[in-house]
Amino acid sequence: QQQVKQSPQSLIVQKGGISIINCAYENTAFDYFPWYQQFPGKGPALLIAIRPDVSEKKEGRFTISFNKSAKQFSLHIMDSQPGDSATYFCAASMSGSRLTFGEGTQLTVNP
Amino acid sequence: NAGVTQTPKFRVLKTGQSMTLLCAQDMNHEYMYWYRQDPGMGLRLIHYSVGEGTTAKGEVPDGYNVSRLKKQNFLLGLESAAPSQTSVYFCASSRDALSLYNEQFFGPGTRLTVL
Repeated sequence: QQQVKQSPQSLIVQKGGISIINCAYENTAFDYFPWYQQFPGKGPALLIAIRPDVSEKKEGRFTISFNKSAKQFSLHIMDSQPGDSATYFCAASMSGSRLTFGEGTQLTVNP
Repeated sequence: NAGVTQTPKFRVLKTGQSMTLLCAQDMNHEYMYWYRQDPGMGLRLIHYSVGEGTTAKGEVPDGYNVSRLKKQNFLLGLESAAPSQTSVYFCASSRDALSLYNEQFFGPGTRLTVL
């Protein structure tokens, strides 16, 4: 049973545009929500993470928006660049012991 | 620091063969994890360990066994490989329980094909 649902499966954005990836979760006990970035042939790497007691976190061009009541969170990539082309995964954890991942979004940023 | 390393990088097995995937980390991390990645399914946790000598089942443990005899190593075994185990396997580690202050670091992956 997938406890974290991610959409869209793929996304194409023009350079300079905004990329938005959405995730929804079911378990209200989740207390840690990271996003990972994965380039082809590489392992995932942590991009940005948030706890449910804040509604937004920004690091450079990357922002997580968190809606606790709707049980949804999203990743916004501002001024998207071709170098951002990768697969992005949302995830959630309860009490820090393990991560449950979303299905992944393949982002392509066209020059 | 090498971080998290995985051996081998690629492997082809025949149905019924056995093999062991080795994960090593040089960051003195307590927690280690094994995931498999399949198209459209994200990463799914197979087994994990919260310290030397401990192991626990994840989402998809059937057909796999693990051992954590040394803190720095986490081994994943397939006793009788099946085509359904064709996947990319990732090992990861974290210093402690996951939080904003303890992230999970991933290895480069092992691509396994079972014919």
